[in-house]
Amino acid sequence: GAGVSQSPSNKVTEKGKDVELRCDPISGHTALYWYRQSLGQGLEFLIYFQGNSAPDKSGLPSDRFSAERTGGSVSTLTIQRTQQEDSAVYLCASSSRGLPGSYEQYFGPGTRLTVT
Amino acid sequence: GQSLEQPSEVTAVEGAIVQINCTYQTSGFYGLSWYQQHDGGAPTFLSYNALDGLEETGRFSSFLSRSDSYGYLLLQELQMKDSASYFCAVTGAGSYQLTFGKGTKLSVIP
Repeated sequence: GAGVSQSPSNKVTEKGKDVELRCDPISGHTALYWYRQSLGQGLEFLIYFQGNSAPDKSGLPSDRFSAERTGGSVSTLTIQRTQQEDSAVYLCASSSRGLPGSYEQYFGPGTRLTVT
Repeated sequence: GQSLEQPSEVTAVEGAIVQINCTYQTSGFYGLSWYQQHDGGAPTFLSYNALDGLEETGRFSSFLSRSDSYGYLLLQELQMKDSASYFCAVTGAGSYQLTFGKGTKLSVIP
């Protein structure tokens, strides 16, 4: 596709349920990032994938969060046993630069997650 | 660790010039980026500075002083469509991550 796509665009779930968020990066982009943005806040780094290398999971806030990237393309972010504090917009970004200083990232429209 | 400071809100008049400052503290530094985000939209890349000095891209310019750990985004000939949030972000040396500031909400008024 022409840009990064994410689905669903909105997700309302009950506390304690599991959710899966999907990201389809720009074709050919080897680097993929997940961020979380709470209302009025900056972007919080969650996880980074680069090619077939082991992902950088240093930003995941708890073990309830996990992500995978299949075939070097589509990625899924899973949140287990959701809590109200997980409510935020989850943004995915991809980049053609897998080097330090991967500054030009292309963002998807995000998934707005609401935990009730 | 890394931290960034930028003003939370700025208001400017259409046609004017506005400067959004960003100071940062990092354990290592590779470069400073700027992103624009309209309400409900995705962040979009504006500019990047790895070296000291001014980078110009149309109406937008970005400046970096590595010795002062400081940068700014300069928007000229402001238009109503420039109303958005602007984020500075740093890449630490050897890091693949972007660390974002909390953003500056720019309101352009007639």
